[in-house]
Amino acid sequence: QKEVEQNSGPLSVPEGAIASLNCTYSDRGSQSFFWYRQYSGKSPELIMSIYSNGDKEDGRFTAQLNKASQYVSLLIRDSQPSDSATYLCAVNRRLMTFGSGTQLTVLP
Amino acid sequence: DGGITQSPKYLFRKEGQNVTLSCEQNLNHDAMYWYRQDPGQGLRLIYYSQIVNDFQKGDIAEGYSVSREKKESFPLTVTSAQKNPTAFYLCASSSVQGESYNEQFFGPGTRLTVL
Repeated sequence: QKEVEQNSGPLSVPEGAIASLNCTYSDRGSQSFFWYRQYSGKSPELIMSIYSNGDKEDGRFTAQLNKASQYVSLLIRDSQPSDSATYLCAVNRRLMTFGSGTQLTVLP
Repeated sequence: DGGITQSPKYLFRKEGQNVTLSCEQNLNHDAMYWYRQDPGQGLRLIYYSQIVNDFQKGDIAEGYSVSREKKESFPLTVTSAQKNPTAFYLCASSSVQGESYNEQFFGPGTRLTVL
């Protein structure tokens, strides 16, 4: 079992829709959770961090964490073509472990 | 501006050559990291360093070497022993809190191609 698992996609949503990206992790001792966005050919950019159960909202982005289910998700509301990228889930206990990413395409 | 710089952006290497990738940060972060990313894949940790003059192997250290003589700098050497070095190399840094490493920030990357 991979330590951090994500659906590789590709995930396609129409412009204006909600994109839902999911991630599960295996280490119950994980303490902090992150979402990075990576445009093609570029380096990852941190977009959300979450440390406790529940939801955290930042603009059009909402991160959701459920430690009992070992599940973290990212919702993107009112998706825009500029949101088209690969989204990496990262989980931190001591060192950060990255998922392989989900490729999102927002169709105009 | 605070940030992480990597150079060069593109690097071409002949088989059998060693090459060194530069990474510099002015974020005053204690920890620095090197990752390798292959097309369509996630990030794989090569080496990391928590403090000056100390570094640890990651998951794929074979064929690579690093040094950490200054807090701001963490160069990576890709040696001829690395069998398939063509990849996108990413440097990152983070602050450290006790035994935990905080969120990482990435440089722009170096794309290495072996000819």
